[in-house]
Amino acid sequence: GAVVSQHPSRVICKSGTSVKIECRSLDFQATTMFWYRQFPKQSLMLMATSNEGSKATYEQGVEKDKFLINHASLTLSTLTVTSAHPEDSSFYICSASNRDRGAYEQYFGPGTRLTVT
Amino acid sequence: AQSVTQLGSHVSVSEGALVLLRCNYSSSVPPYLFWYVQYPNQGLQLLLKYTSAATLVKGINGFEAEFKKSETSFHLTKPSAHMSDAAEYFCAVSEGGFQKLVFGTGTRLLVSP
Repeated sequence: GAVVSQHPSRVICKSGTSVKIECRSLDFQATTMFWYRQFPKQSLMLMATSNEGSKATYEQGVEKDKFLINHASLTLSTLTVTSAHPEDSSFYICSASNRDRGAYEQYFGPGTRLTVT
Repeated sequence: AQSVTQLGSHVSVSEGALVLLRCNYSSSVPPYLFWYVQYPNQGLQLLLKYTSAATLVKGINGFEAEFKKSETSFHLTKPSAHMSDAAEYFCAVSEGGFQKLVFGTGTRLLVSP
C-alpha cells in the first residue's frame, strides 16, 4: 500500500512553454502533498505544501506564479511550471501523506525529470 | 529552525563490512527523524523512522538507527553491507507528524566487492 505515482517520468520542453506534472496517490487519500526539487547530486528542497482544497503554501524563494500547484482532489496534485527556462531543469519529486494513517510518514513518488531546452 | 547535518558526502565500504552513516540534527522541539534511500533517477524509499517511541529503530533491509538525544544524533548502521546497498542516503527531520521534512545533503554509499 501507499503508492504514489508521477506522470510524466521525463519531459523535455522548449524555453517559454509550460509543463504540467501530475502526482497521484493510488491507494490512499492524500490530505497533504508536498513538492520537492532536487538538483544533480544535491538534496531535496521543499518547494511547497498543499492541503486538499486549499491554496498551496510556498517556501521562501519559490515563485508562486511560476510554479502553480493545484490539489483539487484527495488523490491528485499537479505542479505546472509556467514559462519554463533552462534553469528550471531539475528533478521534481512529490510526496503524499494522510493524517488518518497515523504513521507520520510521507510517501514519495518516483520523480519527474524536466529538461528545458 | 530545524536542520540536519550528514557528515561525509561519500562513504566507501567493502561488501560484508559495517555500514555507518552519520546524521546530526537540530530542532527546537522533540524531533521526528527519518532515513531515506534513493537509487539513481528514482524517488525516495523510507528505511526507518523515529517518532518518540523506542530509541533504537529497526528498518528494512537490515538497517537500524539509534536516537541519541544527548548527542543530537541519529546514525544509520547495518552490520554487513551488500552490493545492493549502494545508493544515496538522506537523513531528514520534521517537527512532528505530517510536518514538512528538512533533508540533509545526503551520503552516497559505495560498496566494493
